Amino acid sequence: LAKTTQPISMDSYEGQEVNITCSHNNIATNDYITWYQQFPSQGPRFIIQGYKTKVTNEVASLFIPADRKSSTLSLPRVSLSDTAVYYCLVGDRGYQKVTFGTGTKLQVIP
Amino acid sequence: EAQVTQNPRYLITVTGKKLTVTCSQNMNHEYMSWYRQDPGLGLRQIYYSMNVEVTDKGDVPEGYKVSRKEKRNFPLILESPSPNQTSLYFCASSVKPTSSYNEQFFGPGTRLTVL
Repeated sequence: LAKTTQPISMDSYEGQEVNITCSHNNIATNDYITWYQQFPSQGPRFIIQGYKTKVTNEVASLFIPADRKSSTLSLPRVSLSDTAVYYCLVGDRGYQKVTFGTGTKLQVIP
Repeated sequence: EAQVTQNPRYLITVTGKKLTVTCSQNMNHEYMSWYRQDPGLGLRQIYYSMNVEVTDKGDVPEGYKVSRKEKRNFPLILESPSPNQTSLYFCASSVKPTSSYNEQFFGPGTRLTVL
């Protein structure tokens, strides 16, 4: 499994765009990049998944450069309710073995 | 409502007393998995199952057993719990792993304390 590296924590003011970068230098050809969000004492919740270039849904965008050795989760205009831990995962869609890592704790400040 | 349920949600037990944490999903998912979450260590995978009667070890399987006799259920068994298994446990499921869209749905968690 490709190992991922994320910042341990980030702070942002309400209304700002937040970009969280994940490094995955050993990503394999079949690997996809997936991001989850977790609130305290709750199970993680899927945010977005992508393979290359850019993916956008109603809550976030995922930017993946051509070499795919990193990816950036972009959260537009964050609110206090976006305070959570964000995990980057890399692996094939088979999920046969999953490594979440320690994630990035995002604190949104009023 | 599509969901993953876990029982019990909270459990305090003593060392060596066998226990089972149940996990059930109503989405007809083929893939199911168990994770434990400890402060500073993130989520670590214990066991996963690709389908009925197919299970395999994750990163931290020691001290745990699982079974997958039915598609919807994936119980986690601690034959002889020890204090280092005190943790927050999550069960998750997803559609057939080779499908074109794959997200894991997580249960609400089971907080286990082993004294």
